[in-house]
Amino acid sequence: QSVLTQPPSTSASPGQSVTISCSGGNSNVRINVVTWYQQRPGTAPQLLIYSSHKRPSGVPDRFSGSKSGASASLTISDLQSEDEADYLCAAWDDTLMAPLFGGGTKLTVL
Amino acid sequence: QVQIQQWGAGVLKPSETLSLTCAVHGGSFSGFYWTWVRQSPGQGLEWIGEIHHSGHTKYNPSLKSRLTMSRDTSKNQFSLELRSVTAADTAVYYCARVVEEMDDAFDVWGPGTTVRVSS
Repeated sequence: QSVLTQPPSTSASPGQSVTISCSGGNSNVRINVVTWYQQRPGTAPQLLIYSSHKRPSGVPDRFSGSKSGASASLTISDLQSEDEADYLCAAWDDTLMAPLFGGGTKLTVL
Repeated sequence: QVQIQQWGAGVLKPSETLSLTCAVHGGSFSGFYWTWVRQSPGQGLEWIGEIHHSGHTKYNPSLKSRLTMSRDTSKNQFSLELRSVTAADTAVYYCARVVEEMDDAFDVWGPGTTVRVSS
């Protein structure tokens, strides 16, 4: 099963900003919207960003998403300890006719 | 507030059928697709398929030949059957709600069911 490419891990200190990338291809990220999920250990993913850059109600505006070409990014500003989690991106793939997910990026708040 | 409860057998032998059910509480079952996703340690998240409250289904082509999804609108429940399981089907299985207005994002998730396939 193909996946979208994310860095396995990243880290930053409280108060700093971090950007997580999600790289895809011509049949997915380039032509379709990207969704981001936050997943804490042992729990189900939670919706963080939809339509590449929109936040559901209840998600702080410290979380923002963007997309350019076949890559998307999630930026978390003013990092807090509770942001420590895995972050996963997803996009529909027009060739596979299924949503694809990234392998996830583990964020450590130092 | 919508919540999803899920249950099903956690340990299977190869060639058996995996059966899981999710129940939707506190919100509408109608008008939505309901999806299944699995997560295995080495493979990340994999979309299995989804079912509309009307009964229309969409399956992952890679699993379609072994897959059946159904729903019981009288109980606000939907179910997954995956036949002829192997060790490769070992994963945490999640169900979730699909929101068309959010470009088909999955906005409410069940807690997950761990399924292990072992002889």
